Amino acid sequence: AQKVTQAQTEISVVEKEDVTLDCVYETRDTTYYLFWYKQPPSGELVFLIRRNSFDEQNEISGRYSWNFQKSTSSFNFTITASQVVDSAVYFCALSEAKAGNMLTFGGGTRLMVKP
Amino acid sequence: DSGVTQTPKHLITATGQRVTLRCSPRSGDLSVYWYQQSLDQGLQFLIQYYNGEERAKGNILERFSAQQFPDLHSELNLSSLELGDSALYFCASSVGGGAGTGELFFGEGSRLTVL
Repeated sequence: AQKVTQAQTEISVVEKEDVTLDCVYETRDTTYYLFWYKQPPSGELVFLIRRNSFDEQNEISGRYSWNFQKSTSSFNFTITASQVVDSAVYFCALSEAKAGNMLTFGGGTRLMVKP
Repeated sequence: DSGVTQTPKHLITATGQRVTLRCSPRSGDLSVYWYQQSLDQGLQFLIQYYNGEERAKGNILERFSAQQFPDLHSELNLSSLELGDSALYFCASSVGGGAGTGELFFGEGSRLTVL
C-alpha cells in the first residue's frame, strides 16, 4: 500500500533562512508520481510540483527546489531565503500508476516564517 | 484561482441532516475528485469520477454518495450527518483520469460544521 510520511509536523524559521521540508514515501509500484501542494491560511490547496518516478533530476523554481532520491524514497522540498508569505501547511503526495490519479497525502508540515 | 468552483463555502447543519456539496471542474477537465480534510484523519481521498463514471473509490462512508453529471459538475451528498463528519471537503479536477494524466487542481473547499 502506498504511504507518505512527513515527519516534521511544524517548523518555525526566521525570514531569509533556508528551510527543507522532508517527505518519505512507500510504494510497491515502479511507476508513480510525487507532488507537493501548499495550503496557505486561506485554506485552498495550491499545486507546486509533480515528478514521475523515472525522472530523478532535481528541480528549481525561483526560491523553491526539490530533491528526489529514489534510493532513499525521499522527495524533499527546500525554500531558500524564506519569506513570511511562505507560511503555510505543505503537503507531499503520491499517486501510483495502478491506482489512477488518486493522491495519497502525507500529514503535512506547518511552516511558520517569522519576520 | 485554480478554476475549480465549490459551493457552498461554509455550511452549518445539525446531526442527522443531509447536505449536498457542489463542484464545477476547470474547463476541459474530465475528472473530478472529492477529498475530506479533518484534524484527525488529514487529507483523505473519497471518490473519483471520470467523464460521468465512477473511476476510483477511497474511504467513503456508505452514508456519502457522489455523482458527476453530463455537464461534468459533481455533487457530493452527505446524509445522516454525525459530529465527526465536520471537515473541509475539497473537490479537485484534472484533465485525465489515469495516473500521470495531469496534476490535480483543487477548489477552495466547503467547510461543513455539524452541530
